[in-house]
Amino acid sequence: TQLLEQSPQFLSIQEGENLTVYCNSSSVFSSLQWYRQEPGEGPVLLVTVVTGGEVKKLKRLTFQFGDARKDSSLHITAAQTGDTGLYLCAGASYNQGGKLIFGQGTELSVKP
Amino acid sequence: GAVVSQHPSRVICKSGTSVKIECRSLDFQATTMFWYRQFPKKSLMLMATSNEGSKATYEQGVEKDKFLINHASLTLSTLTVTSAHPEDSSFYICSARKGDRSYFGPGTRLTVT
Repeated sequence: TQLLEQSPQFLSIQEGENLTVYCNSSSVFSSLQWYRQEPGEGPVLLVTVVTGGEVKKLKRLTFQFGDARKDSSLHITAAQTGDTGLYLCAGASYNQGGKLIFGQGTELSVKP
Repeated sequence: GAVVSQHPSRVICKSGTSVKIECRSLDFQATTMFWYRQFPKKSLMLMATSNEGSKATYEQGVEKDKFLINHASLTLSTLTVTSAHPEDSSFYICSARKGDRSYFGPGTRLTVT
């Protein structure tokens, strides 16, 4: 059974601080996706990383895919209150028909 | 873009009744859709893969007779929670696959009283 261990599960920080969220697995993924979800809504895709060692930036968010394609990280620089939400990583495997395995999620609270 | 809708967005039903949730891909065809369940402040748990024109594939531990899935067309999959119990109360989310990407619906909040 494939698992994605996401940490931390809860994070409360002050505005302006930096943070990193990690997703780790013993399995290799063909791609890994990061989502953000607001309460009562579906997840919204932030980024997909496909190549081992890949780094993608989305404004203050930096996403990295591990060289072995087993882990990924999300780094937020100078967090803002608007970054508050649930962040989810999800891995897709080869020959699984697009099935996504989600990490446990990180509940981020950025306080003013 | 690709838009996925769910209906209803919220539903309250009594114990023992059945409730149907629809997932529609509005501007594309999806041979594969997925159904997830989410508890408060928790992650998404994959329940089943819905395949157009064939039987759904259920994840381990998910009762197929309780959670009936029908994918009768390329734009519609339905999840029916049969003989609902309070413990079935949850947030149900579907996604539809387009190319190599999944697009998520807005979710359906089910409350069983």
